[in-house]
Amino acid sequence: EPEVTQTPSHQVTQMGQEVILRCVPISNHLYFYWYRQILGQKVEFLVSFYNNEISEKSEIFDDQFSVERPDGSNFTLKIRSTKLEDSAMYFCASRLAGTLDTQYFGPGTRLTVL
Amino acid sequence: AQSVTQLGSHVSVSEGALVLLRCNYSSSVPPYLFWYVQYPNQGLQLLLKYTSAATLVKGINGFEAEFKKSETSFHLTKPSAHMSDAAEYFCAVSDNAGNMLTFGGGTRLMVKP
Repeated sequence: EPEVTQTPSHQVTQMGQEVILRCVPISNHLYFYWYRQILGQKVEFLVSFYNNEISEKSEIFDDQFSVERPDGSNFTLKIRSTKLEDSAMYFCASRLAGTLDTQYFGPGTRLTVL
Repeated sequence: AQSVTQLGSHVSVSEGALVLLRCNYSSSVPPYLFWYVQYPNQGLQLLLKYTSAATLVKGINGFEAEFKKSETSFHLTKPSAHMSDAAEYFCAVSDNAGNMLTFGGGTRLMVKP
């Protein structure tokens, strides 16, 4: 069964460093998402992406964040200058096309900012 | 704006007992509602979803949920808990464009032998 994959599973970085989290969505899906979950808190929407542009973003997704689909398979989340409060589990998700289609989630990348 | 409230961050039941996980939502438009499950060290897996068809929705692993508009609820139930049901369960609501999911705080289900 096709699945969303994410790499790395765990990333440790120093405050102020740039990180890139990688996701491979399900191959025929058209909509892509990033969510994050700070330890002990809710899963929060960050951004949605369709047709090579951001379709919606939350207040969390400020200028420090960017997303890209550099090729036909990868979907990345970049944090330019990490802060301690960026430590969280980051989930990628993808959806086929219709509004009733399910969002399928990857296993997540745990980001730890020291 | 949409929101989801899950009553009870932790629920403990005995194996074989009824599972009831509560979810209430707030939405200015007819909602799409979802239950996801997260097993340790894994991603979120869809259990079931409501998309304005039948109000009683059946999902995987014997779970079901009933959409009650008058109560703005979408509680998750399973008649008989199994040890393998121990996980974190998230209720979520989507806008009708399917662009983003708004999650509740999650409920950790523990199953006692």
